[in-house]
Amino acid sequence: DVKVTQSSRYLVKRTGEKVFLECVQDMDHENMFWYRQDPGLGLRLIYFSYDVKMKEKGDIPEGYSVSREKKERFSLILESASTNQTSMYLCASSPSGQVTNYGYTFGSGTRLTVV
Amino acid sequence: GQQLNQSPQSMFIQEGEDVSMNCTSSSIFNTWLWYKQEPGEGPVLLIALYKAGELTSNGRLTAQFGITRKDSFLNISASIPSDVGIYFCAGQLGRTSYDKVIFGPGTSLSVIP
Repeated sequence: DVKVTQSSRYLVKRTGEKVFLECVQDMDHENMFWYRQDPGLGLRLIYFSYDVKMKEKGDIPEGYSVSREKKERFSLILESASTNQTSMYLCASSPSGQVTNYGYTFGSGTRLTVV
Repeated sequence: GQQLNQSPQSMFIQEGEDVSMNCTSSSIFNTWLWYKQEPGEGPVLLIALYKAGELTSNGRLTAQFGITRKDSFLNISASIPSDVGIYFCAGQLGRTSYDKVIFGPGTSLSVIP
């Protein structure tokens, strides 16, 4: 069963800590994405990557960075966690190409609480 | 920037009832997607629409691509408890995986047995 795996379901971190959220996909997808999900705001794109070592800013990149050293792994980094980064974080992947029949495959999410 | 609106924001219905929800935009999209997120899980793609006026079904779910290309509709017939979740619409200007996907805020569906 193909999937996107996020390393933690729940995380509690302190303000100012450096936080790593890990995402691994086993579908050999080229594209990977990080979203945050907040009630009433839907899914907002933080960063995305179309290839290894490539990254692009999404709509809300401030306070975040990413790393993609291997095709299957896309990490989201909170350089200095703040309480307004408390949220659900979703990783997604998709194949590259002309057709989007398959949409995105999402992980189960990491619920991060910053105290 | 581009934004999607979904209505209703939430719904509480009796098991067996039909459900209708919609998604509107001030911008034109060439691809519409509907996802469902069950509690504790990530969203899963339900239906993809690529042509204005297109009507596509997936079991009890039917979605339509509005003829103005600024809206889309999702209907669920004869709801059951496992239909519970958040339904997101998403729009894409193009049809490649490189075209940005805009997600709506979601419609939360609760089904009362």
